Amino acid sequence: TQLLEQSPQFLSIQEGENLTVYCNSSSVFSSLQWYRQEPGEGPVLLVTVVTGGEVKKLKRLTFQFGDARKDSSLHITAAQPGDTGLYLCAGAASNTGKLIFGQGTTLQVKP
Amino acid sequence: GAGVSQTPSNKVTEKGKYVELRCDPISGHTALYWYRQSLGQGPEFLIYFQGTGAADDSGLPNDRFFAVRPEGSVSTLKIQRTERGDSAVYLCASSSNPGTEAFFGQGTRLTVV
Repeated sequence: TQLLEQSPQFLSIQEGENLTVYCNSSSVFSSLQWYRQEPGEGPVLLVTVVTGGEVKKLKRLTFQFGDARKDSSLHITAAQPGDTGLYLCAGAASNTGKLIFGQGTTLQVKP
Repeated sequence: GAGVSQTPSNKVTEKGKYVELRCDPISGHTALYWYRQSLGQGPEFLIYFQGTGAADDSGLPNDRFFAVRPEGSVSTLKIQRTERGDSAVYLCASSSNPGTEAFFGQGTRLTVV
């Protein structure tokens, strides 16, 4: 069974602080995706990383895929209250598009 | 519509009853997925359709759960003899082709009392 371990599960920080969320697995994934989910809504895709060692930046968010394609991280610089939400990593195991999700990280950014 | 639409948004049912949850994918999307999400957790895969056929139903928890997509567009997730443990948000997603970006609906919150 493929599993994704996401940490931390809950993070409460002050506006302006930096943070990193980790996503680890013993399995290799063809790609790894990061989503953000607001209450009452479905997850929205932030980024897909495909190549081992790949780094992608989306404004203040930096995503990294591990060299072995088993782990990933999301780093947020100078967090803002608008970043508050549930962040999910998901591994795509094959060309079916079936996603294996981590348990999520609930981020709260206080003004 | 422009996005994935799920109905109803909320459903409260009594233990033992039958429920149907509907998903309208983005027009033209051939791949459709159902996931289940408990409070504070990540979504859990249930079933994947490619066109009209269920290509992978390995995530369905037991034979009380069944899903169809008869014309390769709208899908219905059916739950028989509901149990309180079935309470969760049921999410539907679609993509133009398997492995391409999946777009999620807002989910149906099912509460079994």
